[in-house]
Amino acid sequence: AQSVTQPDIHITVSEGASLELRCNYSYGATPYLFWYVQSPGQGLQLLLKYFSGDTLVQGIKGFEAEFKRSQSSFNLRKPSVHWSDAAEYFCAVGADNDMRFGAGTRLTVKP
Amino acid sequence: GAGVSQSPSNKVTEKGKDVELRCDPISGHTALYWYRQSLGQGLEFLIYFQGNSAPDKSGLPSDRFSAERTGGSVSTLTIQRTQQEDSAVYLCASSFGRTHEQFFGPGTRLTVL
Repeated sequence: AQSVTQPDIHITVSEGASLELRCNYSYGATPYLFWYVQSPGQGLQLLLKYFSGDTLVQGIKGFEAEFKRSQSSFNLRKPSVHWSDAAEYFCAVGADNDMRFGAGTRLTVKP
Repeated sequence: GAGVSQSPSNKVTEKGKDVELRCDPISGHTALYWYRQSLGQGLEFLIYFQGNSAPDKSGLPSDRFSAERTGGSVSTLTIQRTQQEDSAVYLCASSFGRTHEQFFGPGTRLTVL
């Protein structure tokens, strides 16, 4: 059965520092992979997605993610974090009614 | 046009009462999803509507939960005889075609006292 694991429940980084949020998945076929961000009191907004092709995908707000099939990972990165990036981040795998979301990683940004 | 909207944004109810949560998807989106997000948890799939096909209800946690989608647009999630464990944020999303990108509404926070 497909599943998504986000090992880090909470991460704190200083503003301007680099960021990497981890995501590991289990899926029977070539997966569709997504990262969403949720600000307090808001719904989820898509940051980026991977369907096929180049394994390094660029998203909005300066985020990128790399699909590594051998490691079943799809980690999210940002070279320099801004205070406005503080939010909850969700990794997801699958599509349509077969979408599975991770439990989320809460990002705190220190000034 | 506008994004996905949900109403009410907050709902406080007493145990045993019925509640209805509404979702207005993006115009033209054929697929609609309901999820439940409990504190500190990921999203739990509840139900999926795609066009005129029979909905996928496999995620509904009990027969107290039901949903309908009228005219291929607006959807209502109904929870009967609410229990305290139903307290959560209920998120609705819609998507179009095979893009697989789901657009989410802001959610309804349900509190059952």
